[in-house]
Amino acid sequence: AQSVTQLGSHVSVSEGALVLLRCNYSSSVPPYLFWYVQYPNQGLQLLLKYTTGATLVKGINGFEAEFKKSETSFHLTKPSAHMSDAAEYFCAVSDRPFYGGSQGNLIFGKGTKLSVKP
Amino acid sequence: DADVTQTPRNRITKTGKRIMLECSQTKGHDRMYWYRQDPGLGLRLIYYSFDVKDINKGEISDGYSVSRQAQAKFSLSLESAIPNQTALYFCATSDFRAGGTDTQYFGPGTRLTVL
Repeated sequence: AQSVTQLGSHVSVSEGALVLLRCNYSSSVPPYLFWYVQYPNQGLQLLLKYTTGATLVKGINGFEAEFKKSETSFHLTKPSAHMSDAAEYFCAVSDRPFYGGSQGNLIFGKGTKLSVKP
Repeated sequence: DADVTQTPRNRITKTGKRIMLECSQTKGHDRMYWYRQDPGLGLRLIYYSFDVKDINKGEISDGYSVSRQAQAKFSLSLESAIPNQTALYFCATSDFRAGGTDTQYFGPGTRLTVL
């Protein structure tokens, strides 16, 4: 069964510093992987996703993530943090039982809250 | 206008009351989902629906029921609310027919407090 682990429930960085949010997944099949962001008092918004093809995926607001099969990781990065990046970030994996299968539900990690210090 | 809307946005109720949360979407998606979010626990799936006639239980369906009134509408009911159902509830949609990338699109959430 698929699962997601996000390392660190809280991450704090200074404005202008590198943002690195860690996500490891477990999947017996090629995964579909997602990062969502939740700003205060809002719903979840898709940041980026990996399905097939290029392993470095670029998303909105300057974020990117790299799919590393050998490490079963999909870490989210941004070179320079901005105050507006303060939010909670969720990594998710699709629960397809086999490639091209019919289930397609998302399994979410518990989230990482990012704080940005001035 | 938002593609996925939820009503109400906030609700305070008392133990034992019946509550209905509603979700509507204009995206034309076939699949709809209900999640609850609790601090430190992430999102947990309550129910999901692949189409109007296909309703499935999620991870934490006890104490909840759903109705898919139309492709665009999916409501969540708490038959007899209890305090540990106090949480943030999200509706989401996805379009499996369009290539099946499983991307879900979320509503703004309903904050429910059960006293």
